[in-house]
Amino acid sequence: NAGVTQTPKFQVLKTGQSMTLQCAQDMNHEYMSWYRQDPGMGLRLIHYSVGAGITDQGEVPNGYNVSRSTTEDFPLRLLSAAPSQTSVYFCASSPGSTGELFFGEGSRLTVL
Amino acid sequence: RKEVEQDPGPFNVPEGATVAFNCTYSNSASQSFFWYRQDCRKEPKLLMSVYSSGNEDGRFTAQLNRASQYISLLIRDSKLSDSATYLCVVLDGNQFYFGTGTSLTVIP
Repeated sequence: NAGVTQTPKFQVLKTGQSMTLQCAQDMNHEYMSWYRQDPGMGLRLIHYSVGAGITDQGEVPNGYNVSRSTTEDFPLRLLSAAPSQTSVYFCASSPGSTGELFFGEGSRLTVL
Repeated sequence: RKEVEQDPGPFNVPEGATVAFNCTYSNSASQSFFWYRQDCRKEPKLLMSVYSSGNEDGRFTAQLNRASQYISLLIRDSKLSDSATYLCVVLDGNQFYFGTGTSLTVIP
């Protein structure tokens, strides 16, 4: 059972580079979201989507873009990486009705 | 003011002890509440949802007090395997808000 799959698991970038974190789910969940987790800060919502073609900003959206062209995929793009974006990123999906979030294994990003 | 606040701990308890975590939330209109467990360097996983009437799952009991806007988690007969970080989560509209987590270490 794949669930929520994130790639890559680890990435090192230089300041100013761009990259995309991939997220895919095979549970037909309408709701998908991206979080970053930093020490002492908890998980903070970056962007979320309630269905294909619909995205919205969360608590910390600056420097990130998302799109939702299919129900399955929800990529997160870093436009011009900054050291402040060094973090662990989690993608999560939810069927919506129960509210339970299913998480991917996380992507550790370091920006030098 | 943060949406969800938790005591970060750490809580260090002996095996067999009972331990309780509390969490407060700021928006009285929040509609759903959860406790998640996160092991070191792993993704969070749902421990249990929290209902107004209170709910129990084995050694774990969760309670919600809407009037005071707090959520609690009680763990009885602690096991070594309960060592983890426990995250309080609140659903407000379409956004999930996470507490910073409470660290628990169960000592042999």
